[in-house]
Amino acid sequence: DGGITQSPKYLFRKEGQNVTLSCEQNLNHDAMYWYRQDPGQGLRLIYYSQIVNDFQKGDIAEGYSVSREKKESFPLTVTSAQKNPTAFYLCASSIGSRWDTQYFGPGTRLTVL
Amino acid sequence: AQTVTQSQPEMSVQEAETVTLSCTYDTSESDYYLFWYKQPPSRQMILVIRQEAYKQQNATENRFSVNFQKAAKSFSLKISDSQLGDAAMYFCAYRSRMDSSYKLIFGSGTRLLVRP
Repeated sequence: DGGITQSPKYLFRKEGQNVTLSCEQNLNHDAMYWYRQDPGQGLRLIYYSQIVNDFQKGDIAEGYSVSREKKESFPLTVTSAQKNPTAFYLCASSIGSRWDTQYFGPGTRLTVL
Repeated sequence: AQTVTQSQPEMSVQEAETVTLSCTYDTSESDYYLFWYKQPPSRQMILVIRQEAYKQQNATENRFSVNFQKAAKSFSLKISDSQLGDAAMYFCAYRSRMDSSYKLIFGSGTRLLVRP
């Protein structure tokens, strides 16, 4: 079945640690996105990539980093520079045109201990 | 900058009845896309319906339909014959045709409760 997978479902991080969230898609989509969701709020864009080996900052990129070495994969690293990383993280992908729809993965809940 | 506002934090509907969720947005652009996403307790975002701003006809998907009022910058979602499985958070989202990021701008969401 085609879709987007994210792992792990739950992730716990100690202060000062970097952690990496995985996002994989087998939809053959060119574009991929990372969003952050905080309680009582909608999603906000962290990073996006429209093609392999290229990515751009979104609205809240500080303290995060990404890579796009393969079309199927777009991992997100939450660094120790991110001051308030506890949130729900959603990965999405789309064909990559102005007319398309973004499809979302099941998300990762990150908690800082 | 564009903004999306959902003024109803929570709505309640009796099973089998109809409910309308409100969404307004602010933009200076004339061409854009609007979406409604559903987020059930599993928290995965599911596309419910989409509307292209250049189309005057309101989009419909089975029991879900929208009332798109471009001049008023309003995009409400109507759910007919509500079912227990419709209980979820609903998010309205905007996407510019001019923004090269193709990013979605979300409202803060409306929690829909369905009473049996």
